[in-house]
Amino acid sequence: GAVVSQHPSRVICKSGTSVKIECRSLDFQATTMFWYRQFPKKSLMLMATSNEGSKATYEQGVEKDKFLINHASLTLSTLTVTSAHPEDSSFYICSAKDSNTGELFFGEGSRLTVL
Amino acid sequence: GENVEQHPSTLSVQEGDSAVIKCTYSDSASNYFPWYKQELGKGPQLIIDIRSNVGEKKDQRIAVTLNKTAKHFSLHITETQPEDSAVYFCAASSGISGGGSYIPTFGRGTSLIVHP
Repeated sequence: GAVVSQHPSRVICKSGTSVKIECRSLDFQATTMFWYRQFPKKSLMLMATSNEGSKATYEQGVEKDKFLINHASLTLSTLTVTSAHPEDSSFYICSAKDSNTGELFFGEGSRLTVL
Repeated sequence: GENVEQHPSTLSVQEGDSAVIKCTYSDSASNYFPWYKQELGKGPQLIIDIRSNVGEKKDQRIAVTLNKTAKHFSLHITETQPEDSAVYFCAASSGISGGGSYIPTFGRGTSLIVHP
């Protein structure tokens, strides 16, 4: 099946630093990728829709200057959490839409802990 | 916009029993309904999906049914095993093919526990 690679799987950082998370579609092209945040025992909360070659579309309440998204190629999108604070600690998950079939596949998630 | 309701939130069964998870959706334009399994600490994994031109789809112990008139779809797992224990999410979207906008709406998830 299609594979979406998300890296890093775990990251611990100090408050005030920035963290970059990468999402790659390994065997298909993804014009559109999505970034989610998930709290313990909760559903997926859509943060933003990332479209290759254009600006990301952010959901209401999500700070675009804090969560920088770049989708520079058909197989890679990145999420940068800038000036991270402890309340940004969470499980971040990306997904990629197969441009040919429309199917949606998820990465393995990234656990961010901000000290 | 689309609204997806998922029930139950928790489902506990004995190994070998069947499990059924139900979802309803509100947007009649939705035409793609995937189901995802999420194990602890991992990302959701697509396990089966169904498109609006089909009423039922089966893959070994897993089946999904779709009732477009009633706007509901269900996941059926037969002969459950302990390794089926996970959180399951349903989703609904439109514009599945090509350049469609396709922003899926997810249900709140069902925690399935299969007791040995």
